Amino acid sequence: DAGVTQSPTHLIKTRGQHVTLRCSPISGHKSVSWYQQVLGQGPQFIFQYYEKEERGRGNFPDRFSARQFPNYSSELNVNALLLGDSALYLCASSLGPGQGTYEQYFGPGTRLTVT
Amino acid sequence: SQKIEQNSEALNIQEGKTATLTCNYTNYSPAYLQWYRQDPGRGPVFLLLIRENEKEKRKERLKVTFDTTLKQSLFHITASQPADSATYLCALVVSSNTGKLIFGQGTTLQVKP
Repeated sequence: DAGVTQSPTHLIKTRGQHVTLRCSPISGHKSVSWYQQVLGQGPQFIFQYYEKEERGRGNFPDRFSARQFPNYSSELNVNALLLGDSALYLCASSLGPGQGTYEQYFGPGTRLTVT
Repeated sequence: SQKIEQNSEALNIQEGKTATLTCNYTNYSPAYLQWYRQDPGRGPVFLLLIRENEKEKRKERLKVTFDTTLKQSLFHITASQPADSATYLCALVVSSNTGKLIFGQGTTLQVKP
């Protein structure tokens, strides 16, 4: 079975630009979460989506938005990029809240560099 | 304020010894605590979950303890191997409704042959 997939693997953008990151969860998983990981730190929660609805939001500005599609894949959008947005963006899939387990399965991440 | 703290300094041990990593937290009441392994340039990989009413959990060479009074979890790797070298992250499930995870900063373990 395929694990969580993310695209692109690497991305270089200029300040002020917009970026879209994509994630496909494990088959059968209905929940997708997004995390930002800065070098030397643990992942920081950005969003969780379950059944196409936002279920949780971390402490990130409105420049960050996301959505989940009927096939449970997800996009993370970041507008007006800042140098500080440079990080590894991780997508994690899980069965969903209340499904008896809180294990999250992470993708390989998208390395975003803002210059 | 709410904090999760792991040893920021790398842990260096000799092959065959037991590695013990610490996770302390304040001002959280997590229902679950998880440990993940992360290799450079890769996403975290789930290792173990322990519930608030469990004192200890084992999986092969791994053992996790959870003391909700001390607000601390210990993660042990027995008979460590060089392949165990990685960064280990603890994470709290702070919302059973969303499954939202709050991660510590991770501790890097280096096992020398």
